[in-house]
Amino acid sequence: NAGVTQTPKFQVLKTGQSMTLQCAQDMNHEYMSWYRQDPGMGLRLIHYSVGAGITDQGEVPNGYNVSRSTTEDFPLRLLSAAPSQTSVYFCASSYSAVSGELFFGEGSRLTVL
Amino acid sequence: KQEVTQIPAALSVPEGENLVLNCSFTDSAIYNLQWFRQDPGKGLTSLLLIQSSQREQTSGRLNASLDKSSGRSTLYIAASQPGDSATYLCACGGATNKLIFGTGTLLAVQP
Repeated sequence: NAGVTQTPKFQVLKTGQSMTLQCAQDMNHEYMSWYRQDPGMGLRLIHYSVGAGITDQGEVPNGYNVSRSTTEDFPLRLLSAAPSQTSVYFCASSYSAVSGELFFGEGSRLTVL
Repeated sequence: KQEVTQIPAALSVPEGENLVLNCSFTDSAIYNLQWFRQDPGKGLTSLLLIQSSQREQTSGRLNASLDKSSGRSTLYIAASQPGDSATYLCACGGATNKLIFGTGTLLAVQP
């Protein structure tokens, strides 16, 4: 039972490069989301999705793009990486889009030089 | 805007001690409150979820309470063990399962 799988676990980018963080879940959860975790800031919501074909912005969406073509996958795209996007990124999913337990992936650590 | 605060930021206790972690929030209009555990370099593991209509939840040695009127939640850990050492995060759940997190309490249980 894999749960929520994130790839890559580590990535180094140069300013201006683009990349995609992958997230997949095998629990048939309708709800998926992306958070970033920064020291002293806690986790902050970037984007979320309540089902295939439906996405919306969270607290810190600028510089990121998402799509949800299948129930299982929710990739996060960095359009033009900036040093301010250096962070640990977590994908999470839940059976409920209203109020349910969130299951988190192991995280993807991104450094932008 | 919801703000979530966890005090203390760090706590060290001897093994076997009972302890309480605190979480406070500014907006009582929450759907739920969740407690998570995070080990170094790892993701978050859900410990307890309290729906807004509930007062507490228990799982093994863990008990979490919720008092929306005072904007407070506590996580009680009984008979602490070195394996309980981790960062504990609380988060307030809003509409469409959006979570607002506190910055966590780093717990060290000394053998």
